[in-house]
Amino acid sequence: DAGVIQSPRHEVTEMGQEVTLRCKPISGHDYLFWYRQTMMRGLELLIYFNNNVPIDDSGMPEDRFSAKMPNASFSTLKIQPSEPRDSAVYFCASSYRVTGELFFGEGSRLTVL
Amino acid sequence: TQLLEQSPQFLSIQEGENLTVYCNSSSVFSSLQWYRQEPGEGPVLLVTVVTGGEVKKLKRLTFQFGDARKDSSLHITAAQTGDTGLYLCAGRSNSGYALNFGKGTSLLVTP
Repeated sequence: DAGVIQSPRHEVTEMGQEVTLRCKPISGHDYLFWYRQTMMRGLELLIYFNNNVPIDDSGMPEDRFSAKMPNASFSTLKIQPSEPRDSAVYFCASSYRVTGELFFGEGSRLTVL
Repeated sequence: TQLLEQSPQFLSIQEGENLTVYCNSSSVFSSLQWYRQEPGEGPVLLVTVVTGGEVKKLKRLTFQFGDARKDSSLHITAAQTGDTGLYLCAGRSNSGYALNFGKGTSLLVTP
């Protein structure tokens, strides 16, 4: 079975540009999580969804960040405008119950120049 | 957000040595998970512990959950080069659902 699929794997952009990261969770999983990983702060939870509905977005850094889940098989994380401090690896993870194992994608490495 | 402190931050040992890494918090967790992450990949679950004092073994890895469910340890016996990676602990509180991660222990096992 396919795991969590993220795209793009790498993104290099200039400050001020819009960035869209994409995620396809594992089929049948009804929880989807977006995390950001940096050396300084480790893995930080940004937002999570249950059955396509955002449950907790308290980790979203600021209004420049937004996330959507239009259906059970697709989610996006958008940053507009991007800033150099947004440079990080962004992970999407899914699980079939909120207390269960998280299955992570391979991550999207974002570099904002 | 519960703060999970992992120690040591970095560890470099030779193959065959034993090691222990720690995960500590001032908060009580309903459950705690350990993940391993290799370069360029996402974390992968190793184990979940839920009961205070619980000990789980996964081949050469032994995981322990503290009696008060505030801390955990991971012991590796006779480390191998394949154990190299970032070891992350992650906990859930009794009132929250989100999984909060520590910053991890980066382990390097050399031949």
